[in-house]
Amino acid sequence: DADVTQTPRNRITKTGKRIMLECSQTKGHDRMYWYRQDPGLGLRLIYYSFDVKDINKGEISDGYSVSRQAQAKFSLSLESAIPNQTALYFCATSDFSGQPQHFGDGTRLSIL
Amino acid sequence: AQSVTQPDIHITVSEGASLELRCNYSYGATPYLFWYVQSPGQGLQLLLKYFSGDTLVQGIKGFEAEFKRSQSSFNLRKPSVHWSDAAEYFCAVAPPNNAGNMLTFGGGTRLMVKP
Repeated sequence: DADVTQTPRNRITKTGKRIMLECSQTKGHDRMYWYRQDPGLGLRLIYYSFDVKDINKGEISDGYSVSRQAQAKFSLSLESAIPNQTALYFCATSDFSGQPQHFGDGTRLSIL
Repeated sequence: AQSVTQPDIHITVSEGASLELRCNYSYGATPYLFWYVQSPGQGLQLLLKYFSGDTLVQGIKGFEAEFKRSQSSFNLRKPSVHWSDAAEYFCAVAPPNNAGNMLTFGGGTRLMVKP
């Protein structure tokens, strides 16, 4: 089984819909991250969490929210999806050393 | 604000040839430096990192990178490329003493390997 699992892997939806992307991990790491990848822009940080009671905004948090339901689970929500949120989304975890070390395989999200 | 530039969007090399991927950063002090690789349909994998000390860093899969303060660069190298190295490579930086939550990524370099 993968260390970091993202569901769904692909999603097509319409403008205005609420969408939740889920991430679960078996690494036992406290730190979890959500990134967005766009061609030519690399990855940009949306939100991160250092433990269950800790949620922090990243570089591009507008239009997104997150929930850390447990140490192993970190969900990303788009309350009202818009087309420019079409992207590849990655969840990642890290241990105390800080930098993201384990990535999921990504969720490809298309908003029409 | 910190920034990372990977000047080459695409690079094609022949299998067995040497490889160098360029990375330049802009930051007030010496940041923490990272290289990640992304294979098709997968997430990123950390290849190597530099925090301090020896400026030549060894990583996984036979890769190494050299930090050059005078050039604000952290180029990735491999002496002999294998077909399985075809992937996208990302350079990233973080403020010193704050490696995790403030990573800034470059735009990536896509490597293609000719047989």
